[in-house]
Amino acid sequence: EIVMTQSPATLSVSPGERATLSCRASQSVSSNLAWYQQKPGQAPRLLIYGASTRATGIPARFSGSGSGTEFTLTISSLQSEDFAVYYCQQYNNWPTFGGGTKVEIK
Amino acid sequence: QLQLQESGPGLVKPSETLSLTCTVSGGSISSSSYYWGWIRQPPGKGLEWIGSIYYSGSTYYNPSLKSRVTISVDTSKNQFSLKLSSVTAADTAVYYCARSTRPGWFDPWGQGTLVTVSS
Repeated sequence: EIVMTQSPATLSVSPGERATLSCRASQSVSSNLAWYQQKPGQAPRLLIYGASTRATGIPARFSGSGSGTEFTLTISSLQSEDFAVYYCQQYNNWPTFGGGTKVEIK
Repeated sequence: QLQLQESGPGLVKPSETLSLTCTVSGGSISSSSYYWGWIRQPPGKGLEWIGSIYYSGSTYYNPSLKSRVTISVDTSKNQFSLKLSSVTAADTAVYYCARSTRPGWFDPWGQGTLVTVSS
């Protein structure tokens, strides 16, 4: 099993500021990594796949980077609708998810 | 626009079998490009992939759940289904269905359905 570790568990950010979320894989997953956003009471929404490709309709303020074992999701200027929990998921092997990072209002 | 909708009992007794169905609308489950998967999320916790199926019936499962999971597909109804046997309280979760590539990411997702395991 490939274990995905996300940090920090909680990130406090002011609206308009940049948020940087990290995801680490226990072994290389190449670029086979996706990011999701989940708001309370809602299903996860795909943001990024292939480590850096934005899904359809995702604003340009969301960007992904990394390969191998280290990945980053950056939200360049946080909007009110961006406060949520973010999950990474690898698909180099059978799918596994990270534990999530909650982005909260500072 | 592709949409997925989970349905099934919201309460299951311990040791019994959990059964859910996902109905796909706005597209064909027989698309050659995609798999169809189940993911669950215990209350207040993270996401766990359960397993996925191709329209031909080919399946792959989470090894930790494989002994208890069966996923099937009914192309005539544009549906796929999940059965999880011998459930315990630890199986209480919101269960989501979703489309995926294989291997791949999940998009879109159904709204999810809460299944509680309790006597």
